[in-house]
Amino acid sequence: EVQLLESGGGLVQPGESLRLSCAASGFTFSSYAMTWVRQAPGKGLEWVSTISGSGGSAYYADSVKGRFTFSRDNSKNTLFLQMNSLRAEDTAVYYCAKTYYDTLGYMDVWGKGTTVTVSS
Amino acid sequence: EIVMTQSPATLSVSPGERATLSCRASQGVSSNLAWYQQKPGQAPRLLIYDASTRATGIPARFSGSGSGTEFTLTMSSLQSEDSAVYYCQQYNNWLTFGGGTKVDIK
Repeated sequence: EVQLLESGGGLVQPGESLRLSCAASGFTFSSYAMTWVRQAPGKGLEWVSTISGSGGSAYYADSVKGRFTFSRDNSKNTLFLQMNSLRAEDTAVYYCAKTYYDTLGYMDVWGKGTTVTVSS
Repeated sequence: EIVMTQSPATLSVSPGERATLSCRASQGVSSNLAWYQQKPGQAPRLLIYDASTRATGIPARFSGSGSGTEFTLTMSSLQSEDSAVYYCQQYNNWLTFGGGTKVDIK
């Protein structure tokens, strides 16, 4: 069974950093791009970042470019989202998702999400 | 950035009825469009990809159509379990989601 399990969320103050992780299982991890999507409280879905299967290419939404870094460890089937200079508007549930192809695309498997709250 | 606009924002239908949801792209996205269902407190679930292909395990009463800038998700024989928010997402040029349509079955 394909599974994704996010962790690392929590409460931080504006300007601080946080690193999210996502552990994957049940598929050939390195063959697929992976994506982070977030959802602010009571709001819709927002694409954050996608990384290629090899980890050699990463793409970012303008809202997080320069502050967030998406990486992966294919030997451990794990994703990392390093979030720096956090702002109140980064408060959201962060979902990791498997992309159907090894590129930007649609997401066929989603984790349950981890909550990030940025507040003083 | 391609802007995705969904309508209506909310829709209330009775069990057994049909619902038609619309998604419009600000520029053409070919057939690179997906639909997701999200129930309260849950992660999104893929329903439709490539505009009209049902994802694994999705019942035939969910169907998608359209190409270019106009897309439709049609749900027939609605059941109470179909109450959810439905999002469209384009993947032709980066990724963007629509604002969602909340469907209430009552």
